Amino acid sequence: AQSVTQLGSHVSVSEGALVLLRCNYSSSVPPYLFWYVQYPNQGLQLLLKYTTGATLVKGINGFEAEFKKSETSFHLTKPSAHMSDAAEYFCAVRDDSNYQLIWGAGTKLIIKP
Amino acid sequence: EAGVAQSPRYKIIEKRQSVAFWCNPISGHATLYWYQQILGQGPKLLIQFQNNGVVDDSQLPKDRFSAERLKGVDSTLKIQPAKLEDSAVYLCASSLKGFETGELFFGEGSRLTVL
Repeated sequence: AQSVTQLGSHVSVSEGALVLLRCNYSSSVPPYLFWYVQYPNQGLQLLLKYTTGATLVKGINGFEAEFKKSETSFHLTKPSAHMSDAAEYFCAVRDDSNYQLIWGAGTKLIIKP
Repeated sequence: EAGVAQSPRYKIIEKRQSVAFWCNPISGHATLYWYQQILGQGPKLLIQFQNNGVVDDSQLPKDRFSAERLKGVDSTLKIQPAKLEDSAVYLCASSLKGFETGELFFGEGSRLTVL
């Protein structure tokens, strides 16, 4: 069965610093991968997705993620953190048996001034 | 374009009481989902509708949870009777094509506290 692991329930970075949120998945075939963001008291919003093709995917608000098949990873990065990036970030993989999304437990990003 | 609408945003009830949540998806979105999100966990799919038919309700606790989507537009999720462990945020989402693209549009959620 496919699964998603997000390392670190909380990640704290200083404003202007690099943001790195880790996501590893288990899948026997190249998966569809997603990052969603949930701002406080709001619903989840698609940040970016990988389906096929280029392994470096750019999303909204300056975020990007790289699909690394050899490492079964899809880490999310942003070169310079902004206070408005404070939110919870969820990684998900599409289960190819039923097309449902399998979600990680989420990582709360805290931005220090 | 209006987003996914949910109500109420917050609800506090005693255990064994009942509660209902309402969702209106984005216009034209055939697929509607109800998720349960417990604090510290990722969303858990409860039920998926395609138009007004149920595609998957395998994780819906049918002894206490029910959901309907009359006329293939808005939807209601009901819990009766509620248990303490039902305290969670109930998220409604919709999509144009189902899970094929993985692009879901979520409402702001309905936060349920069961005392």
